[in-house]
Amino acid sequence: QVQLVESGGGVVQPGRSLTLSCAASGFTFSSYAMHWVRQAPVKGLEWVSVISYDGSDTYHADSVKGRFTISRDNSKNTLHLQMNSLRPEDTALYYCVKTDCTSIGCRLFVHWGQGTLVTVSS
Amino acid sequence: DIQMTQSPSTLSASVGDRVTITCRASQSISNWLAWYQQKPGKAPKLLIQKASSSESGVPSRFSGSGSGTEFSLTISSLQPDDSATYYCQQYSTLVTFGQGTKVEI
Repeated sequence: QVQLVESGGGVVQPGRSLTLSCAASGFTFSSYAMHWVRQAPVKGLEWVSVISYDGSDTYHADSVKGRFTISRDNSKNTLHLQMNSLRPEDTALYYCVKTDCTSIGCRLFVHWGQGTLVTVSS
Repeated sequence: DIQMTQSPSTLSASVGDRVTITCRASQSISNWLAWYQQKPGKAPKLLIQKASSSESGVPSRFSGSGSGTEFSLTISSLQPDDSATYYCQQYSTLVTFGQGTKVEI
């Protein structure tokens, strides 16, 4: 079955960087677009970034554009999110999410990981 | 950006009740609307896509309807396991979620 396991979260000071990873299994990782979606504590859901099946196309929400970079390593079935210049408002549980198709236009969130918590605080 | 407004924010009902959650888009999204269920401490689960198409394994008491800017999720006979927060999501242009509706039983 589909498994998505996020890692890399933790406590980081404002302005610093952090890289999240998502290990995928149970499906052909290289065939699907992938997303990151975050949820601030006791808050709603916010879409962050998307990457196409082969990594050739990416797109980021305005709130993280220029600071976050999504990438993937299909040889290792792993998704990444490089987060720079972190702000307190980036504090959230970050979910790795699988779609059911290949392009960045695929925006239906079929399978979710359990999330990794990022806390930005001095 | 397309804004999604859900109502109510919280809903209290009894087992067996019929409940309806509404989601309104700030502009037409055709039927590019999904509903998710999130239980405490868990990741969201996709219930319905394209406004009214239920995912495999979703109990038949869950149904979705609407198009354009007005959508609804109905639970025909509320069960204890339905206690959760429900989110709508538009995927017509990028992605926007509603703010969520907490269903209490």
